[in-house]
Amino acid sequence: QSALTQPITVPGSPGQSITIFCTGTSSDVGAYNYVSWYQQNPGKAPKLMIYDVSNRPSGVSSRFSGSKSGYTASLTISGLQAEDEADYYCSSYTSSNTHVFGTGTKVTVL
Amino acid sequence: QVQLQESGPGLVKPSQTLSLTCTVSGGSINSGDYYWSWIRQPPGKGLEWIGYIYYSGTTYYNPSLKSRVTISIDTSKNQFSLKLTSVTAADTAVYYCAAGYNAFDIWGQGTMVTVSS
Repeated sequence: QSALTQPITVPGSPGQSITIFCTGTSSDVGAYNYVSWYQQNPGKAPKLMIYDVSNRPSGVSSRFSGSKSGYTASLTISGLQAEDEADYYCSSYTSSNTHVFGTGTKVTVL
Repeated sequence: QVQLQESGPGLVKPSQTLSLTCTVSGGSINSGDYYWSWIRQPPGKGLEWIGYIYYSGTTYYNPSLKSRVTISIDTSKNQFSLKLTSVTAADTAVYYCAAGYNAFDIWGQGTMVTVSS
């Protein structure tokens, strides 16, 4: 299975909205609504931010939202803050009963 | 609240077997609420899903690692384990255990494993 495709970096200014895209195939992102997103700060374990495409776990800011169209999922961060600077990974369940992660995106706050 | 903690050797010699254990606290590994996963991250690189096990013993593995990986569960100790055989330097990574159903809700802190002679 190949990793889902994400942009390497996405820059943004404080207060701005940014969107990270995650592109898969008909066997993963396109097949199920089981796309999740993770935020990872340096030296820390990833943290679940979005599950089942668009659901936020308790305690995650409403500034984070997710969606999907076809083979591409997206994570939008609105009202960008300095604390949002981190690496972000998407993940999807696959038709082989496995999971696959995205290549990862570094969000930089200018 | 379920918490996870990885344990095991931080240094493994090439060609040997990497063995790690994840201890589950704050909940029962038998609950059926979660699939129990292993995920790794080589230094400076992205996340790679290794595989997962359900309390029933059902396992699924990453096809690229399937020939070398075994994940097992010990319900009496509330633990699940990873064995990766014939390791090389490419297996050097932070190894995380995680819990979830269609996502990875809960993560351990991770443990660094270096493959070197």
